[in-house]
Amino acid sequence: DAGVIQSPRHEVTEMGQEVTLRCKPISGHDYLFWYRQTMMRGLELLIYFNNNVPIDDSGMPEDRFSAKMPNASFSTLKIQPSEPRDSAVYFCASLTGGGIAGELFFGEGSRLTVL
Amino acid sequence: GEDVEQSLFLSVREGDSSVINCTYTDSSSTYLYWYKQEPGAGLQLLTYIFSNMDMKQDQRLTVLLNKKDKHLSLRIADTQTGDSAIYFCAESIGGNNDMRFGAGTRLTVKP
Repeated sequence: DAGVIQSPRHEVTEMGQEVTLRCKPISGHDYLFWYRQTMMRGLELLIYFNNNVPIDDSGMPEDRFSAKMPNASFSTLKIQPSEPRDSAVYFCASLTGGGIAGELFFGEGSRLTVL
Repeated sequence: GEDVEQSLFLSVREGDSSVINCTYTDSSSTYLYWYKQEPGAGLQLLTYIFSNMDMKQDQRLTVLLNKKDKHLSLRIADTQTGDSAIYFCAESIGGNNDMRFGAGTRLTVKP
């Protein structure tokens, strides 16, 4: 398996622009997580899905952030409009409910810079 | 406290042992984990321990769990330069798949 695939790996954009980050989880994994990593706040859980249904989005910072999972093999995290404080590395991770509880498989991350 | 707490930095010499400490929050956590993040990469599960154990050894890695104090540690024996990375302590909250991570300890191994 190719692992969790995220795109783009790097994105530089200007304040006010829309940003869409994409994730393909490992086939057969029924949980998908979006995390944000910054030096100041460490690793923060934004939202997670189980069987494509959002379970907990309490970590989503504000209405500018939205996440969807239209099918089992694809998820997006959208920021509109983007702000400089959104600059971070965004990780997608997936997990199978049948494996070791908590064994998350992470993608390589999408590094977002908002100017 | 509300957060999983770790010290942010640790520096050791090659060949020495490294000990990374963590205090977690939820006494009902079933599993506790150590994840490793190498530069430019995502986190990878390094090892985990069942909450009914107090020690787990896996080659150069030893995990110690003190449930009374909610304290978890990771010991790396004979630390190598390739062990330089950020190490995250994590717990699963309330038995579900909601993972809570510490801020990570950046381990630097000097030759």
